Amino acid sequence: GENVEQHPSTLSVQEGDSAVIKCTYSDSASNYFPWYKQELGKRPQLIIDIRSNVGEKKDQRIAVTLNKTAKHFSLHITETQPEDSAVYFCAASFSGSARQLTFGSGTQLTVLP
Amino acid sequence: DVKVTQSSRYLVKRTGEKVFLECVQDMDHENMFWYRQDPGLGLRLIYFSYDVKMKEKGDIPEGYSVSREKKERFSLILESASTNQTSMYLCASSVGRAGTYEQYFGPGTRLTVT
Repeated sequence: GENVEQHPSTLSVQEGDSAVIKCTYSDSASNYFPWYKQELGKRPQLIIDIRSNVGEKKDQRIAVTLNKTAKHFSLHITETQPEDSAVYFCAASFSGSARQLTFGSGTQLTVLP
Repeated sequence: DVKVTQSSRYLVKRTGEKVFLECVQDMDHENMFWYRQDPGLGLRLIYFSYDVKMKEKGDIPEGYSVSREKKERFSLILESASTNQTSMYLCASSVGRAGTYEQYFGPGTRLTVT
């Protein structure tokens, strides 16, 4: 089955700096890659996703890049703010019966004021 | 607005007890999922369902079973709870139509087995 590795497990940045979280996946059949954000005590929520036919996608301060050849994808957050502090999960999915996801282990991002 | 609810936020059970965790979604979603969340291990898929009465094993189904008798409700059952099943359990649902893959999560149930 699919295996998703996520690095780093913790990341601290100064407010205003950029943050990058990287994931690799094992199954070349995977074609959908979402990122979820989980604030402390809250449920995970989708923040951005990318399909395998796209190399990069942006939404305001966040962007995701995908390298299908190398089987890795990354989340980039620019101009970080304290409210960006959360756990971020990457995931990968192929066209299974329910589009089920395999998640990475998570990255605790802390934005220092 | 999608709403996914779970029957309990906190649950304490004894080893060997049968435990039921319930999840209800109100948006007519086809797909429903059960995950457990443990520090450093992310979200691991236990079971999922893509239709009423249909279920498939996820990555860690051992010790668990599920039931989906109605479209809006998906139950996770621990037949004989063990201490290694102490965890946060998250339910999620998704539409099921091609092109819409977002999963909506419930608030979670923190289960402690003593």
